[in-house]
Amino acid sequence: GQNIDQPTEMTATEGAIVQINCTYQTSGFNGLFWYQQHAGEAPTFLSYNVLDGLEEKGRFSSFLSRSKGYSYLLLKELQMKDSASYLCAASGGNNRKLIWGLGTSLAVNP
Amino acid sequence: DADVTQTPRNRITKTGKRIMLECSQTKGHDRMYWYRQDPGLGLRLIYYSFDVKDINKGEISDGYSVSRQAQAKFSLSLESAIPNQTALYFCATSDPITETQYFGPGTRLLVL
Repeated sequence: GQNIDQPTEMTATEGAIVQINCTYQTSGFNGLFWYQQHAGEAPTFLSYNVLDGLEEKGRFSSFLSRSKGYSYLLLKELQMKDSASYLCAASGGNNRKLIWGLGTSLAVNP
Repeated sequence: DADVTQTPRNRITKTGKRIMLECSQTKGHDRMYWYRQDPGLGLRLIYYSFDVKDINKGEISDGYSVSRQAQAKFSLSLESAIPNQTALYFCATSDPITETQYFGPGTRLLVL
């Protein structure tokens, strides 16, 4: 079957580092996306991993292990504006539709 | 200007009414999608279209229909709205190479 698991909620402190994990099962896996969604707004693209390893983009980094069906999003130097839901999505199958996780709601506290 | 736009942004309607949500994009992408999002249920795919002549049902298409009028336009209709169709609706396009999806701002629909 096709499935994505990620924690429902996380909390962290301003200035700290937080890691949001995602495990996935999908046939014909192509790649793994991370999106950020603030309450009541549209999801916005953060990162895309196709190959194993770490992709760094400013304060945000994303890691993928294809053999383990595992990814994480690492957020450094947390800011209050990082309080949002983080969605993990896997691309798979011939039609390359995205399988979406339910999102991890991150609260950054002062 | 936004690459993906949706109208209306908010809509209140009554049970049994037919309504249409519209989506336009200037990204030049062939692929377009309609999702709904409900608290605790995440994004669920209603319909998707890989080009003007190709339309496919998603996981929750019952009670909905779509029309792809042009590459840039993809409309979602609720033929006879019911209260459990109250949700936040998103239109999206995707890049054909990277598959990255780009979302419109959403339409908040309330069915009374």
